[in-house]
Formats: sequence, structure tokens, C-alpha cells
Amino acid sequence: NAGVTQTPKFRILKIGQSMTLQCTQDMNHNYMYWYRQDPGMGLKLIYYSVGAGITDKGEVPNGYNVSRSTTEDFPLRLELAAPSQTSVYFCASRLGLAEETQYFGPGTRLLVL
Amino acid sequence: KQEVTQIPAALSVPEGENLVLNCSFTDSAIYNLQWFRQDPGKGLTSLLLIQSSQREQTSGRLNASLDKSSGRSTLYIAASQPGDSATYLCAANTGNQFYFGTGTSLTVIP
Repeated sequence: NAGVTQTPKFRILKIGQSMTLQCTQDMNHNYMYWYRQDPGMGLKLIYYSVGAGITDKGEVPNGYNVSRSTTEDFPLRLELAAPSQTSVYFCASRLGLAEETQYFGPGTRLLVL
Repeated sequence: KQEVTQIPAALSVPEGENLVLNCSFTDSAIYNLQWFRQDPGKGLTSLLLIQSSQREQTSGRLNASLDKSSGRSTLYIAASQPGDSATYLCAANTGNQFYFGTGTSLTVIP
């Protein structure tokens, strides 16, 4: 089991560019999450999904889009990158029961200049 | 909206000392509370998960307690070691979503 994998590990974007952060899990988990973590801060939820074809906004969804066409993949799309989107992005998954823990990927560090 | 606070923000202790990290949350309607460890530049590793019906959970030198009515959880680390140096985050699970605190940065001095 690879668990939760994220690509790329690091990326520099220019203002106005767009990119997709990839997230894949091989645990057959129903729930998947995207968080961002700014320096010295906790994690803020961007979007989450409770299953293929179902997504919902978290605390900080503006400037991002997601899709969930398969159980395994949950890509995060940044359109028109802004310096405020400089952050570390974490993907997580869990089986779906309320009692279950989350499993995190290693993160993608994004710098927007 | 759930608000999660962790105190202190940073803690430095000599090796061997017992220590307590605090986590408070504003909405007691949670399914569980989870403690994570984060090493610099790394992702989060789950340490302990306490269900809303439980009072505490133990794993090795770690013990986490939960008092839903007062909106508090503590993480107790016994006989601290330099390898325990990391940031510790708590997260309150309200069902579909988890709300994270800002973490406590722990340094254990040899």
C-alpha cells in the first residue's frame, strides 16, 4: 500500500498561471480532503469529497476547484494563481465512517511569485 | 463554526520530563478528537484518536484525554525524548470535516 501520494512535491508558479495538484490513494477510501497549511498555522480545509462524483466546499475554497471522477483520485485545480496561494497543500483520506482516522500525503509546497 | 485552540504555541523541555499539551474546542458536538505529529517539512502522522464516548486513549508513552463537556483535550507525553521534538496538532471531527488547531511546537533538549 502506497497510502496517499501527492505530486508534485514542489512547484513555483507565476502570478496568473494555473496548475493541478494531484492526489491518489490506494486504500479504497470514500472520503478525501484538501487542506492548506500556511507557516505557523494549522490546516484549513479547502474542499472535500465523500465519494466519487460528490464534492463540497470547506473553509477556504475561493480560487480552487476540485473533481472526483474516481474513488482513487482527487485533483485540486488552481486557476489564476495569486501570491496568497503560496502554501503547503496536503491531501488526506479516510474510509468514511465517522470514527475513522485520516491518512495524510506528504504535501506539495507551492510558491507563487 | 468550530474553533480549535492549542496552548502553548511552543514548549521547550529537558529530556526525561513529563509534559502536557492542551487543546480546546468551542463546539462539543464532535465525533472524535485526533492528535497528530508533524515533523518539519513532512506530512501529518496520526498519534491517537479518541472517540466522543471515550475519556482517554493510550499508546506507549502517550496518553490523550477528552472532556467533551468542557471542550478540552490533553496529550500527555511521559519521559520525553529528543525524538519527540516535533509539532503536535489536534483536530476535532464534526462528521464530514476536521477542524485543526495551530499546533504546539515541542523541543526536547538532550
